[in-house]
Amino acid sequence: GAVVSQHPSWVICKSGTSVKIECRSLDFQATTMFWYRQFPKQSLMLMATSNEGSKATYEQGVEKDKFLINHASLTLSTLTVTSAHPEDSSFYICSARGHREGNYEQYFGPGTRLTVT
Amino acid sequence: GQNIDQPTEMTATEGAIVQINCTYQTSGFNGLFWYQQHAGEAPTFLSYNVLDGLEEKGRFSSFLSRSKGYSYLLLKELQMKDSASYLCAVMDSNYQLIWGAGTKLIIKP
Repeated sequence: GAVVSQHPSWVICKSGTSVKIECRSLDFQATTMFWYRQFPKQSLMLMATSNEGSKATYEQGVEKDKFLINHASLTLSTLTVTSAHPEDSSFYICSARGHREGNYEQYFGPGTRLTVT
Repeated sequence: GQNIDQPTEMTATEGAIVQINCTYQTSGFNGLFWYQQHAGEAPTFLSYNVLDGLEEKGRFSSFLSRSKGYSYLLLKELQMKDSASYLCAVMDSNYQLIWGAGTKLIIKP
């Protein structure tokens, strides 16, 4: 099956610092990657969609200058939380979708738990 | 607007059967997904329905009626490890997933 990895699994950082989260598709080429955020006991919230080689499309209310997304290759996307604040503490999950026609399944990474102190 | 509705929480007994319903109203339809999410973990794929009818996969089955905007996930022979949130998601005309809030399933011995 398709495998998506995320690194780091968890991170604690101080307020005002930046954190980079990596999302990799290990055994397939991901033309589209999605970044989600999930607060405790709430559903997934899509933050942005990125296609390889082009700028990410951000959902309404998500600051693109704060959450920088780079999808530089077909197997790697990164999310950088800039100038993190305690309210950015959340569970960040990426998912990837391949380019096989008719296969629209999203494969999820294990998630990254960010705590900003 | 787009809307996915599913019950917030359900309780069932180990060994029993439970049905989790999902109704949707979306702009276009390119399939419906069910995911399982254990606390503190990312979702894992359970099923994908794009045509009407029942898809069976082991203890789990998923049903779709496009005319009614309705799906259900049926879990048989419940085990304690099935305690999790079950997320219904519909792929709209732009091939984007619209997520329900999830149903927390509590299994009691």
